[in-house]
Amino acid sequence: DIQMTQSPSSLSASVGDRVTITCRASQGISNFLAWFQQKPGKAPKSLIYAASTLESGVPSKFSGSGSGTDFTLTISSLQPEDFATYYCQQYNSYPYTFGQGTKLEIK
Amino acid sequence: QVQLVQSGAEVKKPGASVRVSCKASGYTFTNYAIHWVRQAPGQRLEWMGWINRGNDNTKYSQKFQGRVTITRDTSASTAYMELSSLRSEDTGVYYCAREGGDNWFDPWGQGTLVTVSS
Repeated sequence: DIQMTQSPSSLSASVGDRVTITCRASQGISNFLAWFQQKPGKAPKSLIYAASTLESGVPSKFSGSGSGTDFTLTISSLQPEDFATYYCQQYNSYPYTFGQGTKLEIK
Repeated sequence: QVQLVQSGAEVKKPGASVRVSCKASGYTFTNYAIHWVRQAPGQRLEWMGWINRGNDNTKYSQKFQGRVTITRDTSASTAYMELSSLRSEDTGVYYCAREGGDNWFDPWGQGTLVTVSS
């Protein structure tokens, strides 16, 4: 199975900040990578797929980049509703696997 | 609007089976695939398998192979996930998610809590 490792596992930031979360795959996955946001007690929400394509309705403050094994999710101008846990997921090969999550907290 | 509504919470004894349903509305059910994802308490999301949109083909994670069955009833616009030989480690929230078109895993169902306890 492809292992997905996110860093950091937790992150404190302030409203208005710009943050970057990284995701590394244990082997190359081309651009078959998605990012999800999950708030406590809620289902995940898809933000980005194909490494950099925003889901419809997702604000442009979210952006993704990368290819191969290294990927990033950047969130600009943090707002209170952005504080959540973020997961990456590879879908290059079965089984699709997720990172361990990055918990973004308010400083 | 497009939505997936899942069945309610379940409490099962070890060794039993559970079936979770995922009813779709707001779109043509047969045009999209359905995936199932599990989240054990405090754990990362875990992909279980999916059912294809056109031909009912399925693919399962090896971890669940032999215990999981994903089916769908197109007349009811509903997908099902059945997990057998339950053990305590299967306790968690089970989600369905739609895939296809210009979307990836969007939307998700609200989740179904399955508790396995003697």
